[in-house]
Amino acid sequence: GQQLNQSPQSMFIQEGEDVSMNCTSSSIFNTWLWYKQDPGEGPVLLIALYKAGELTSNGRLTAQFGITRKDSFLNISASIPSDVGIYFCAGLGSGGSNYKLTFGKGTLLTVNP
Amino acid sequence: DVKVTQSSRYLVKRTGEKVFLECVQDMDHENMFWYRQDPGLGLRLIYFSYDVKMKEKGDIPEGYSVSREKKERFSLILESASTNQTSMYLCASSLSGQDEQYFGPGTRLTVT
Repeated sequence: GQQLNQSPQSMFIQEGEDVSMNCTSSSIFNTWLWYKQDPGEGPVLLIALYKAGELTSNGRLTAQFGITRKDSFLNISASIPSDVGIYFCAGLGSGGSNYKLTFGKGTLLTVNP
Repeated sequence: DVKVTQSSRYLVKRTGEKVFLECVQDMDHENMFWYRQDPGLGLRLIYFSYDVKMKEKGDIPEGYSVSREKKERFSLILESASTNQTSMYLCASSLSGQDEQYFGPGTRLTVT
């Protein structure tokens, strides 16, 4: 099936640094979601975005729904070791398929203490 | 907080066995989903249900069936498990079609 283009694939950063990752698509989405997954666990929802141009924060996390509805980014400020994990973007509502989530391949984040 | 639970975290089954994976959500959500997650392939939708007794095929339904007899419970059935069904299985639920999906902790299934 369709996948979103998520970049970067992986990041190695020092504790305290800021992180930015993004997703792009050739299709328009009605909702953008960002998830974090720890090894052996299910994805945990971090931020949900419902409107083009929307900028939403959740603690040290900030995400934006692109104005074209074809992209989104996630920023993490002042990273800490527990930020380690895989971050996924997901789009909802493309092509009349209201239920179907389309996922990015994930960004693996490693934080060196 | 939304809670999605899955009956087992780890399962080991033999080829040919019938396997039941259970998922329960406690937020009165209309929609429930089953995905599998494999390295390099990401999350792929197997089946979803938008109401009790209603189901629709996802991207990879072959070899699987589902059952939703009650709103809070969605079961995934592997009629005759095969080794290529070894995977991480994730259940999710959402209030309605346009809402965010909440995932359970996953079931790591190994078929030998």
